[in-house]
Amino acid sequence: SAVISQKPSRDICQRGTSLTIQCQVDSQVTMMFWYRQQPGQSLTLIATANQGSEATYESGFVIDKFPISRPNLTFSTLTVSNMSPEDSSIYLCSVVSSIYGYTFGSGTRLTVV
Amino acid sequence: AQTVTQSQPEMSVQEAETVTLSCTYDTSENNYYLFWYKQPPSRQMILVIRQEAYKQQNATENRFSVNFQKAAKSFSLKISDSQLGDTAMYFCAFMKQSNTGKLIFGQGTTLQVKP
Repeated sequence: SAVISQKPSRDICQRGTSLTIQCQVDSQVTMMFWYRQQPGQSLTLIATANQGSEATYESGFVIDKFPISRPNLTFSTLTVSNMSPEDSSIYLCSVVSSIYGYTFGSGTRLTVV
Repeated sequence: AQTVTQSQPEMSVQEAETVTLSCTYDTSENNYYLFWYKQPPSRQMILVIRQEAYKQQNATENRFSVNFQKAAKSFSLKISDSQLGDTAMYFCAFMKQSNTGKLIFGQGTTLQVKP
């Protein structure tokens, strides 16, 4: 399957600051996805990031809070802006390809204090 | 809208025994995919098994098998010969065939395998 390198693996941030999470894939993929997993909860899709176009956000998520970049077919970033303790979650990127199917990154555990 | 329901928040099983995790879903789609993912404490999401809705035959992967009942919209996971390494959170997930990539997850079931 595709190999995804996600960074950082964890961080502790002050409220009001921003954190950018990076995902690097070892092959070119059309679609990349960003999920949030709140403590003890399931995964919820934040947005779909396609190369060359603006990200598509799910209901309840907005670009000002979660700006996403997708500069090429192997890389994407998610920024969590103006953080509050409610943003403390695991954030995961994922990709789907016709060859490898669905693969997740190892996740970023974010704690906002 | 599609929904996925896992009604068992927690389950436990003795090592070497068999356990079944339940999942039901709701959709008006006819073509879709269903998945079971495992998330151990490392947080890594690991694909356990995948089922295409158009296939009547239940998917199997070594000790893991599913009971897919399309009419009942049920998709349970059976783990045979449970091992300590099977201890993890298990998520059932749904994906429309026409919307490749967007997964809808159930609430998850925490499985504890006891020695």
